[in-house]
Amino acid sequence: DQQVKQNSPSLSVQEGRISILNCDYTNSMFDYFLWYKKYPAEGPTFLISISSIKDKNEDGRFTVFLNKSAKHLSLHIVPSQPGDSAVYFCAASGSGGSNYKLTFGKGTLLTVNP
Amino acid sequence: GAGVSQSPSNKVTEKGKDVELRCDPISGHTALYWYRQSLGQGLEFLIYFQGNSAPDKSGLPSDRFSAERTGGSVSTLTIQRTQQEDSAVYLCASSLKGGSPLHFGNGTRLTVT
Repeated sequence: DQQVKQNSPSLSVQEGRISILNCDYTNSMFDYFLWYKKYPAEGPTFLISISSIKDKNEDGRFTVFLNKSAKHLSLHIVPSQPGDSAVYFCAASGSGGSNYKLTFGKGTLLTVNP
Repeated sequence: GAGVSQSPSNKVTEKGKDVELRCDPISGHTALYWYRQSLGQGLEFLIYFQGNSAPDKSGLPSDRFSAERTGGSVSTLTIQRTQQEDSAVYLCASSLKGGSPLHFGNGTRLTVT
């Protein structure tokens, strides 16, 4: 039973355009969400996070939006650059004693074409 | 400073053999995690260490898997009597404390033939 779902295995966009990566979750106890970026043969690197008390968090070209009622979050990258080409993982954790345990989606491969 | 270091980066082993994977976390990070990524899958939680507390082993898939963390620093993940389904990338991560963003190593790619 997948609690964090990234339904698009891949996404291709033109350089300079907006990239939108989507993520859905089923566990209503999740209250902290993160995006990680992974290049081949490297470990994932933390990109941006959002707490459930917010609906938007912005960091430079990266913005994460959270829609709690729809149990949906998205990562917007604008403008997209070729160096953004990587696999993006959505992750979530819950409140309480096991808030350290991240549940990851399967990832979306983003390709930004020059 | 150095990031999370994992060794070996690649390991090929025969079915039935034991393997040991090593993780050196970022200095000062009290929390250490092991995850694995099988082909086409997301990252799967295996085990979590926090300071001197008892580890959360709830993600270990079978009793062939064990992990320890000595002196609150280096950790080893041991897989006994490896099976082909154990083939995956094993990722170690550390964080300042539980719930903080994770810093991952580059992983160990394990192939069981």
